[in-house]
Amino acid sequence: TQLLEQSPQFLSIQEGENLTVYCNSSSVFSSLQWYRQEPGEGPVLLVTVVTGGEVKKLKRLTFQFGDARKDSSLHITAAQPGDTGLYLCAGVKTTDSWGKLQFGAGTQVVVTP
Amino acid sequence: EPEVTQTPSHQVTQMGQEVILRCVPISNHLYFYWYRQILGQKVEFLVSFYNNEISEKSEIFDDQFSVERPDGSNFTLKIRSTKLEDSAMYFCASRGGITGELFFGEGSRLTVL
Repeated sequence: TQLLEQSPQFLSIQEGENLTVYCNSSSVFSSLQWYRQEPGEGPVLLVTVVTGGEVKKLKRLTFQFGDARKDSSLHITAAQPGDTGLYLCAGVKTTDSWGKLQFGAGTQVVVTP
Repeated sequence: EPEVTQTPSHQVTQMGQEVILRCVPISNHLYFYWYRQILGQKVEFLVSFYNNEISEKSEIFDDQFSVERPDGSNFTLKIRSTKLEDSAMYFCASRGGITGELFFGEGSRLTVL
């Protein structure tokens, strides 16, 4: 079983539509990060959330950390083809050292013009 | 913008051979990590390194693996006798402070034949 479950695994939408990616766990996390990974490259950090209930916005991307710090969501408004990519959530369990990230399997997002 | 750099980008080796993957972390960072991603699978933690010693390692990081910071800038991962199942993308990452964010390199693809 995955510690961090991401859903959906794959999402294909038209340009201009909205989308939401979910990251769920039964464990509590000290922090949770969202990364974007292009084929053959390393994950690139988008945002870190650390406080339960926290909401962060990055242009058209909105990230939320659940009140209990067990889940998170990424919402993209008016998606563009440039948003196409693999979105990964990764968290630090409260019992682990900072920097030991547990990754989800990722959500592949495809935005078509 | 400072970045983590890794070499080689791709290495092909025969089973049983030794491999050294090199990383140059961001210059003022203090915490260093290796992660790996087998094709089609999630990113997995291998080892963390601080103050010239291993802080934590996963079950994957067995006696065949070692890490070293031979000078003030490089951070290496050595696999002593490679196996087919070591084929993966290996990512180096670094962070600055105790709760700093993790920055990943672009990865080194290792193919073991």
